[in-house]
Amino acid sequence: QVHLVQSGAEVKRPGASVKVSCKASGYTFINFDINWVRQAPGQGLEWMGWLNPSNGNRDLPQKFQGRVTLTRDNYKATAYMELSGLNSGDTAVYYCARGFGGSFSDWGQGTLVTVSS
Amino acid sequence: EIVLTQSPGTLSLSPGESATLSCRASQSVSDSFLAWYQQQPGQAPRLLIYGAFSRATDIPARFSGSGSGTDFTLTISRLEPEDFAVYYCQQYGSSPWTFGQGTRVEV
Repeated sequence: QVHLVQSGAEVKRPGASVKVSCKASGYTFINFDINWVRQAPGQGLEWMGWLNPSNGNRDLPQKFQGRVTLTRDNYKATAYMELSGLNSGDTAVYYCARGFGGSFSDWGQGTLVTVSS
Repeated sequence: EIVLTQSPGTLSLSPGESATLSCRASQSVSDSFLAWYQQQPGQAPRLLIYGAFSRATDIPARFSGSGSGTDFTLTISRLEPEDFAVYYCQQYGSSPWTFGQGTRVEV
């Protein structure tokens, strides 16, 4: 059974960075992309990018380029999303999700990131 | 960027009734790369439909997807109590992948 387990909630000051981890189990980690999606309180879903664990290729929307870094540790079957230059608009639940041809077949439990001074 | 517009914003129905949710794209979605998700309060989304009409693993047959080009539909026949939730469409035919704003199905 596929499981994606994310790191715990974070509270950050404006201007800081946050790094969220996503540990995968139940499948061969390098065979599926890992995507990141966020959801601000009471709002909809926003795709932040994908990473191919096998070759390190990635794609991010232009709005996140330069602020989001996607990495992975294949030995630990873990993906990471780092977001820098935090502001109040980045307060959200951040999800990792296993890619399925561009859709997202399995999701982590979500990580709440709160940006507050 | 492809903008997805879902309608209606809220659908008020009773268990046993059918629901029809619409997702309209600002430009054609290539190869019908369109997915639907269900999200319950406080939970992560769950994949229902991919490729416009293929049901994901363990999704009941009462959920069906249709459409192509710019117009897509999710139909839920005979609503069960657990189907009352928010539904999102997502296109993955053109980067950046985008989501609709969601349709809430409520009692």
